[in-house]
Amino acid sequence: EIVLTQSPGTLSLSPGERATLSCRASQSVSSSYLAWYQQKPGQAPRLLIYGASSRATGIPDRFSGSGSGTDFTLTISRLEPEDFAVYYCQQYGSSPPTYTFGQGTKLEIK
Amino acid sequence: EVQLVESGGGLVQPGGSLRLSCAASGFTFSSYDMHWVRQATGKGLEWVSAIGTAGDPYYPGSVKGRFTISRENAKNSLYLQMNSLRAGDTAVYYCARGGAAMDIYGMDVWGQGTTVTVSS
Repeated sequence: EIVLTQSPGTLSLSPGERATLSCRASQSVSSSYLAWYQQKPGQAPRLLIYGASSRATGIPDRFSGSGSGTDFTLTISRLEPEDFAVYYCQQYGSSPPTYTFGQGTKLEIK
Repeated sequence: EVQLVESGGGLVQPGGSLRLSCAASGFTFSSYDMHWVRQATGKGLEWVSAIGTAGDPYYPGSVKGRFTISRENAKNSLYLQMNSLRAGDTAVYYCARGGAAMDIYGMDVWGQGTTVTVSS
């Protein structure tokens, strides 16, 4: 079973700054199978990035994803007030299909 | 508008059963794999089950043998039958649309969730 470890646990930044969130897998993951989500308090998660680097419909271009193998990154180029939330990475494993989430990174206002 | 609406949550005693439902609208339900994902209060997301377009179910080890996912395409509905419930199953349960049909190996549409509390 692949384990996803996200770092840091909490990231404190100011609006306008750049945010870099990490997701490390215990085994190599196909880039096609890595996704990122945003979740705000009291809300359902929202898909941000799929296939490691493709933005989901309606996601602003300040959000970008990168990485391969065991190391993946979500970057928010210039933080807007609405970007402060919890972010999760998720991987898909085939044969049989399974889905695993990281433990999350909380992005908070400094 | 694409929408998922969960129902059926509530308070149940340990060892009891509960059936969750998810009503889908705004898209061709039968063409998508569907998922249940849960979140305990203050905790992260945990995938609970998935069902393919052909009705093939998948589960993680934590719920296999206790939970059963099913779908009724004629009613645009997804279900989760939960048996032998434990305190650790207490969570908000989300219904989510899978994106595999679009080569999106994640969940691209989510409901607002229904709360399940397992307590005596």
